Amino acid sequence: KNEVEQSPQNLTAQEGEFITINCSYSVGISALHWLQQHPGGGIVSLFMLSSGKKKHGRLIATINIQEKHSSLHITASHPRDSAVYICAALAMDSNYQLIWGAGTKLIIKP
Amino acid sequence: KAGVTQTPRYLIKTRGQQVTLSCSPISGHRSVSWYQQTPGQGLQFLFEYFSETQRNKGNFPGRFSGRQFSNSRSEMNVSTLELGDSALYLCASSLGGSNYNEQFFGPGTRLTVL
Repeated sequence: KNEVEQSPQNLTAQEGEFITINCSYSVGISALHWLQQHPGGGIVSLFMLSSGKKKHGRLIATINIQEKHSSLHITASHPRDSAVYICAALAMDSNYQLIWGAGTKLIIKP
Repeated sequence: KAGVTQTPRYLIKTRGQQVTLSCSPISGHRSVSWYQQTPGQGLQFLFEYFSETQRNKGNFPGRFSGRQFSNSRSEMNVSTLELGDSALYLCASSLGGSNYNEQFFGPGTRLTVL
């Protein structure tokens, strides 16, 4: 079992829908990253959070430390949001290395 | 401030050859991490360099090596290439130091081994 699990693996939705991507982890963490990877490979960091909630534009990330769970939400989704979304956990005993989820491939249809 | 750059962007090699990939971090960043990404797999951590020293290492064979120069630029070398080495190789830079800092990724080098 992977230490960081994402669900769903693939998600297809219509433009405008509210999107939720989940990330569960089994280790103690000090922070959790959400990143976005567009076709072509470039990765962009969206959020790094260790508690509560962060919002940037239409993106919202939440984390529940007790439940070892984080979610990434996209409101009013748009085709340009189509990408792979990856969560990565900074484990407490990892010497600052990230444990990566396998990613969620999101496709937003117009 | 310029982002992380990687060269070359695309590379085709044959089995048994060796390859060197280059990564220039964001100015002021002293840590460079390397990752391998194969289709359908998550990012696999190769190694991290900080101040010219390898600080962390993933579970890759010795054919994968790296180094970092005094200007923080880093190179990754893969010797005796195998078909399974075909992948997107990403580097990420961060400030480094004693605390974790956010990583910023380059565009990647796509290596194809024939």
